[in-house]
Amino acid sequence: EIVLTQSPGTLSLSPGERATLSCRASQSVSSSYLAWYQQKPGQAPRLLIYGASSRATGIPDRFSGSGSGTDFTLTISRLEPEDFAVYYCQQYGRGLTFGGGTKVEIK
Amino acid sequence: QVQLQESGPGLVKPSQTLSLTCTVSGGSISSGDYYWSWIRQPPGKGLEWIGYIYYSGSTYYNPSLKSRVTISVDTSKNQFSLKLSSVTAADTAVYYCARVTSYFYYFDYWGQGTLVTVSS
Repeated sequence: EIVLTQSPGTLSLSPGERATLSCRASQSVSSSYLAWYQQKPGQAPRLLIYGASSRATGIPDRFSGSGSGTDFTLTISRLEPEDFAVYYCQQYGRGLTFGGGTKVEIK
Repeated sequence: QVQLQESGPGLVKPSQTLSLTCTVSGGSISSGDYYWSWIRQPPGKGLEWIGYIYYSGSTYYNPSLKSRVTISVDTSKNQFSLKLSSVTAADTAVYYCARVTSYFYYFDYWGQGTLVTVSS
């Protein structure tokens, strides 16, 4: 099974700042099979990015994904108040696994 | 717009079997482009994939849960179900059902989730 390690665990930023979230895999992951989700308290996760860099329907262009192999990044170019949430990466390959999450909190 | 809705008991006793059903609306569960999945999230923790099923009945389970999990599908009712046997307090979680694309294996539609507590 591939283990996904997300860092940092918590990111404290102000609205308008840039957020850079990391997802590192224990083995190489096909870019086709790397996705990112946003989860707010009391809500189900919401798909943001699939195929490492393709935005899901209705996702603002301030969200972008990049990376390949074992290192992937989710970038939020300018944080809006509604972006403060927990973010998870997910892979399919050797099994299907989620990362432990990064919480983006208001500084 | 596809919608998924979980249903089932919110309280299960230790050693018993947890049973949940997911009802899909706005789309056919028999579409060949998707799998149908269960994911869980213990309170305050991260997401854990449980397994998924194809409309034909083919199943794929998380190896860590495989010995206790059964996922089934009822295409006539547009539903799929989860059974988790021999539950303990560690199985207390919000259980989500979700749709998985069969090309890129991401979850594009989710149910709202249902909290299942294991307690005597």
